[in-house]
Amino acid sequence: SQQGEEDPQALSIQEGENATMNCSYKTSINNLQWYRQNSGRGLVHLILIRSNEREKHSGRLRVTLDTSKKSSSLLITASRAADTASYFCATDSPRGAQKLVFGQGTRLTINP
Amino acid sequence: EPEVTQTPSHQVTQMGQEVILRCVPISNHLYFYWYRQILGQKVEFLVSFYNNEISEKSEIFDDQFSVERPDGSNFTLKIRSTKLEDSAMYFCAKRGQGQNTEAFFGQGTRLTVV
Repeated sequence: SQQGEEDPQALSIQEGENATMNCSYKTSINNLQWYRQNSGRGLVHLILIRSNEREKHSGRLRVTLDTSKKSSSLLITASRAADTASYFCATDSPRGAQKLVFGQGTRLTINP
Repeated sequence: EPEVTQTPSHQVTQMGQEVILRCVPISNHLYFYWYRQILGQKVEFLVSFYNNEISEKSEIFDDQFSVERPDGSNFTLKIRSTKLEDSAMYFCAKRGQGQNTEAFFGQGTRLTVV
């Protein structure tokens, strides 16, 4: 089964720095999505990149997708303390019930 | 107003008891899901529900689990004879039809089996 696997598992940086998180997966996808989870809360959709796209921007977020390497990255620029959260990539299968398969997540801590 | 509302936010139950987790997905999305997240671990797919029936389920979703959408709005997950290892956050989610749609998640129900 396909799985998104993020690295690093944990990342701690200073406010204002950029944070980069990576995700790898195993099988073909329709799209790859990134979600954010504040501690003990639900997942919030951040950005979706389709399999035929290579890069996408949304505010301070930049996502890349390399389908040949089956990998994606999420870049958060000019990080803020409020960006502290866990970030998950999720892959969307081209078949089946449109379920999302999540990776282990990256726990990001922004130090003021 | 949240897209998906889950109740209760936290439930404590005795091992062996049955629990029902509820979800109210606002508006007319087509796909509904239950996911589980054991503390500190990944979000795991349990089951998807489309057109009032299960469309896919994971290995986790065994006979202990069942889902219903009894009145066309509420979407429930029933766990029979709970075990300690069922302790987790349970998330309800919904999606529209189409290949490239985002999922909307509820805030989750924290289930603690003691």
